[in-house]
Amino acid sequence: EPEVTQTPSHQVTQMGQEVILRCVPISNHLYFYWYRQILGQKVEFLVSFYNNEISEKSEIFDDQFSVERPDGSNFTLKIRSTKLEDSAMYFCASRDTLSNQPQHFGDGTRLSIL
Amino acid sequence: AQSVAQPEDQVNVAEGNPLTVKCTYSVSGNPYLFWYVQYPNRGLQFLLKYITGDNLVKGSYGFEAEFNKSQTSFHLKKPSALVSDSALYFCAVRDTGANNLFFGTGTRLTVIP
Repeated sequence: EPEVTQTPSHQVTQMGQEVILRCVPISNHLYFYWYRQILGQKVEFLVSFYNNEISEKSEIFDDQFSVERPDGSNFTLKIRSTKLEDSAMYFCASRDTLSNQPQHFGDGTRLSIL
Repeated sequence: AQSVAQPEDQVNVAEGNPLTVKCTYSVSGNPYLFWYVQYPNRGLQFLLKYITGDNLVKGSYGFEAEFNKSQTSFHLKKPSALVSDSALYFCAVRDTGANNLFFGTGTRLTVIP
């Protein structure tokens, strides 16, 4: 069964540095998402992306964050000038175009800011 | 506005017994409802969904869930629990006008041998 893949599985970064989290969505999916899960808390929506542009974003997704689909397979989340509170699991998800289909999630990237 | 409540942080059940993990929701339109399971160090795995039609939906690994519109609930059930069902379970809702999922806080299910 096709999967969403995320790299790296764990990223350790110094506070203030930039970090890029990478995702390869399922190949025929056209909707892409990033979520985050701070340790012990619930999964929170960050941003959705369709047709090469952001379709929705949450209050969390401020100017520090950006997303990009640099080629036909990758979908990236960039965090500029990381803060301690950015430490979390970041999940990428993708979905088929049919609106009643579920989102499929990757295994996540654990981001640790020191 | 969307919201999801999972009133139980932890559910313990003996192996072989039926299990229920509770979820209630609030949306402004018609809900799309989902259950996901998370095993340690893994992402969220889709279990089942309710979009429309039969209130009882069946999903992966023998799980099912019942949509109850009057009670705005979507409880997850399984007739006979397995030790391997022990995991973190998330209920999620998507309003028909929205694109993103809104998750509950999760329920940790422990099946005791």
